[in-house]
Amino acid sequence: AQSVTQLGSHVSVSEGALVLLRCNYSSSVPPYLFWYVQYPNQGLQLLLKYTSAATLVKGINGFEAEFKKSETSFHLTKPSAHMSDAAEYFCAVSPDTGRRALTFGSGTRLQVQP
Amino acid sequence: DAGVIQSPRHEVTEMGQEVTLRCKPISGHDYLFWYRQTMMRGLELLIYFNNNVPIDDSGMPEDRFSAKMPNASFSTLKIQPSEPRDSAVYFCASSSRVELFFGEGSRLTVL
Repeated sequence: AQSVTQLGSHVSVSEGALVLLRCNYSSSVPPYLFWYVQYPNQGLQLLLKYTSAATLVKGINGFEAEFKKSETSFHLTKPSAHMSDAAEYFCAVSPDTGRRALTFGSGTRLQVQP
Repeated sequence: DAGVIQSPRHEVTEMGQEVTLRCKPISGHDYLFWYRQTMMRGLELLIYFNNNVPIDDSGMPEDRFSAKMPNASFSTLKIQPSEPRDSAVYFCASSSRVELFFGEGSRLTVL
């Protein structure tokens, strides 16, 4: 079985500050890991994915995440927050066994202060 | 390219009524997923299909829920009879590789 835990249901940063959203996973097999973003009244949009290639993954909108097996983590970062980054962010995992369904974390709402 | 298309976007109904949510996946995708999103439970997988065949329906809450995929371009999620606790946003997603592509969701309110 696999699961993800997102630490912090709400994160607030100032515009221009570093964004760090935390995700820890639990998986009995090598995982695929994902970050999705959800804007109000919209569906989920893929930001980036880890599929056992490079451990540092770059995504859209300047976001990146690093897979750390020793820490079972896949934290999402962005060097400089923009007002348009305000949204809810979800970490997700699927096992590298062919089962395609993703298990999602509880989400982190990012607020960006001017 | 068209994304995943869901209808209706909003549905308000009364308890006991039948609700049918519809989904058109991205052309060429062989996996289709139904998720439900609520404040209390977050995103829950209800059921998913591969090549129109249900693979895992263990997340379907109870017999009031049913899902079908009669062909590669259409799926329905039906709730009969609906109850207030079914109020949620229902998402359809499709996939051909590892990542899922989501529709905009159907917001269901059961009074």
